[in-house]
Amino acid sequence: GNSVTQMEGPVTLSEEAFLTINCTYTATGYPSLFWYVQYPGEGLQLLLKATKADDKGSNKGFEATYRKETTSFHLEKGSVQVSDSAVYFCALIPNTGGFKTIFGAGTRLFVKA
Amino acid sequence: GAGVSQSPRYKVAKRGQDVALRCDPISGHVSLFWYQQALGQGPEFLTYFQNEAQLDKSGLPSDRFFAERPEGSVSTLKIQRTQQEDSAVYLCASSLGTSNTGELFFGEGSRLTVL
Repeated sequence: GNSVTQMEGPVTLSEEAFLTINCTYTATGYPSLFWYVQYPGEGLQLLLKATKADDKGSNKGFEATYRKETTSFHLEKGSVQVSDSAVYFCALIPNTGGFKTIFGAGTRLFVKA
Repeated sequence: GAGVSQSPRYKVAKRGQDVALRCDPISGHVSLFWYQQALGQGPEFLTYFQNEAQLDKSGLPSDRFFAERPEGSVSTLKIQRTQQEDSAVYLCASSLGTSNTGELFFGEGSRLTVL
């Protein structure tokens, strides 16, 4: 079946550190891949997406590249800020019919000043 | 407002009570989803509407769960005879179209606690 696995948190970094949150997926064909972010007290919101192999999604300094060969979609940011503290969810929508988004368990990020 | 609105934000129910959770999607959004999020977990799919048609209800955990969207806008998730394992945050999300590349817009959720 379709599934998403992401690294367990929490991840604690100092401001301006480099961030990587690993995400791998299992799906048939070519799913669309997403990163959603949930800031404290808010609903989930889309951070970035990629819809085909080798695409790079980017937003707010975050990037993730769709790697079909390793079935991965790792999230990276070169220099994190305190305001990036949130829970990050990797997700996919299979291209085999249906519109169900399947989410990973989430990774909590704490950034210290 | 312009976003997805859910009510109530918090609900405490005694075991065996019925609850109803409401979702107001973004105006004009065709697709509407309900998800269940347990503490420390990612959202788990419950059901999907395209306008008023419920096209997928494969994620509803039991026949105690029922969802409707009778006029293709507001949706209600009803849970009958609540159990402690129903305690979770229930998320509603809407999407403009029906594409599998589409962005979901989430509400802040309804947190249900069953005592």
